[in-house]
Amino acid sequence: AQSVTQLDSQVPVFEEAPVELRCNYSSSVSVYLFWYVQYPNQGLQLLLKYLSGSTLVESINGFEAEFNKSQTSFHLRKPSVHISDTAEYFCAVSANQAGTALIFGKGTTLSVSS
Amino acid sequence: EAGVTQSPTHLIKTRGQQATLRCSPISGHTSVYWYQQALGLGLQFLLWYDEGEERNRGNFPPRFSGRQFPNYSSELNVNALELEDSALYLCASSLYKGASGAEQFFGPGTRLTVL
Repeated sequence: AQSVTQLDSQVPVFEEAPVELRCNYSSSVSVYLFWYVQYPNQGLQLLLKYLSGSTLVESINGFEAEFNKSQTSFHLRKPSVHISDTAEYFCAVSANQAGTALIFGKGTTLSVSS
Repeated sequence: EAGVTQSPTHLIKTRGQQATLRCSPISGHTSVYWYQQALGLGLQFLLWYDEGEERNRGNFPPRFSGRQFPNYSSELNVNALELEDSALYLCASSLYKGASGAEQFFGPGTRLTVL
């Protein structure tokens, strides 16, 4: 079975500051890793994913995450945040097999203020 | 290309009633997943359907059930509603083809309120 721990429930930052949202997972098998974002009153949108290959993955809006197998982590980073990045961010893991359910962390609320 | 759609957007029921939620996957996707997002409990996996069959279910009682139709759309039924069933119910779809099937695309959700 897999599990996900998001270490921070809330992260307040100022605009243009760097941010890191932490995610650790546990699994006895190989995994796929995901970050999803949920804006207020909306569904989930995929931000980025790690399936295989390069351990550093990037999204189109400046976020990146690095898969660290030895530390079982998949932290999300952005060097400079915008007000529009305010949202809830979910880390998720699934077994390395298509069709398996996603196991989500409890989410981190990122609040960006000016 | 149309995304995952869900209906209704909001649903208000009273305790003991039944609720039916609907989901249409992205065209070409055969797998549909249901998740419950309850306040304070995060997102929890409910059910997975593929090719019309229930493939897996999460740790929920049998009063949570559903089905998948030949066109791959899906229904989630919740019987004997309880107050704690109030939540956002999210549907997701995927291709279920090797690694490319790992990505799940989510709908906007149905907000179920049980009074």
